[in-house]
Formats: sequence, structure tokens, C-alpha cells
Amino acid sequence: ETGVTQSPTHLIKTRGQQVTLRCSSQSGHNTVSWYQQALGQGPQFIFQYYREEENGRGNFPPRFSGLQFPNYSSELNVNALELDDSALYLCASSLRSSGGKETQYFGPGTRLLVL
Amino acid sequence: AQKITQTQPGMFVQEKEAVTLDCTYDTSDPSYGLFWYKQPSSGEMIFLIYQGSYDQQNATEGRYSLNFQKARKSANLVISASQLGDSAMYFCAMRPPGSNQFYFGTGTSLTVIP
Repeated sequence: ETGVTQSPTHLIKTRGQQVTLRCSSQSGHNTVSWYQQALGQGPQFIFQYYREEENGRGNFPPRFSGLQFPNYSSELNVNALELDDSALYLCASSLRSSGGKETQYFGPGTRLLVL
Repeated sequence: AQKITQTQPGMFVQEKEAVTLDCTYDTSDPSYGLFWYKQPSSGEMIFLIYQGSYDQQNATEGRYSLNFQKARKSANLVISASQLGDSAMYFCAMRPPGSNQFYFGTGTSLTVIP
């Protein structure tokens, strides 16, 4: 196990609602990234948080927002849910380092279904 | 733009045999990191192996090895002595230098047959 936890494990919402997903990073890690994985696809990068600030964002609209707390845990908030937001949301923690070897360790994910 | 291509949507392998999962990538950066992850049906992405673009030797981690051919921009994963527990989705990913995100391929579904 990676030590990365996510809650809740499953969630059902209706279109237009708002949702908050939570992630606790692995001990010693200071960076959290969020990904959306639609059925049959690879994960797509939403954004990353480092030292409580957004530090990179993928091609997602502003209704996807996040927070990182002093203990490096993080939240993903999605407003005005759409049917296409139904997906597995993965949180990954890592330790910021120079070079390309920063490995991301993933949590078990939250499965969101929007009806 | 970075792009990862996995052309094998599904693969079958006999238990105890070796299998190669293909991955090609497209980048203009000379420095980058390549990763393979395993995703069982439970959903969690499990890190398997890393290869840096400047690493002189192919990476190995237990039964996993990476056949890295930089000129061909390929980073194929080799799993030796397949086990039933290896049945899962496998994703290739790349992290460009100075980038915060991983770019993932569409994955390959591996089924190990007893």
C-alpha cells in the first residue's frame, strides 16, 4: 500500500450539484496531484498542489478547484456537476525533487457517478 | 505536446510465460521520465518501474524490466514469469522536465491464463 488515502470511495450526485473529494498524502510527501480517469481511458491531469498553492493545471474548467492544507492533505471540489464528470478521481502524492524521477504514488480513488 | 501511445488494448499470456507490453511516446524534450503503473480492478494505480531518459541501463525491478529504446521512443514493459495476480490494466506514463503532470497512455489489459 502507498499510504495515500481517499474519501469517500464511492459517491452518487445529480447534475448541478457540488462535490468535495478528499485525499491524505503519504507521510513525507509535500505534493498532491489530482487526476480524472473516465471509463476505458488513462488518467487525465487536473491540477497539482505544492506547499498549499496550485502548481500546474490541466485542461479542466474553473469549476474544478482544489485546496492543500498545511499537513499536505488535499481536497478536490467540483461545482455544477455534469454527466461527463462521472469518473474515477485519483489522488497522487509525491515528494518534490529536481529532475524527472519524482514518482507519484496513487490512492485507491473515488468513483463518482453523476445522474 | 506530449503523447503516450499504447497500441495493445488487450493481451493474453500463459502463466509462467513472459509478456511484453508496448509503449511509444512523442516528445521533443531530451530529458524526461518514463513510468509504468499497474491498475487492478480495485482502481488503485500501483507504481512498477521508472526509466530516466539519460539512464544508461534499462531499468529492472524484480520480474519487471523496461526495454528502453530512446531512438525509437519506445519504453516497453517486460513481465517475466507471469502470475495470475498480474492480470490488470497497465499504463505507461511520461513526466517531461519542468512539468508537474504525468501523461498517461490508454492502457493495456493483461490477462494471465492458468
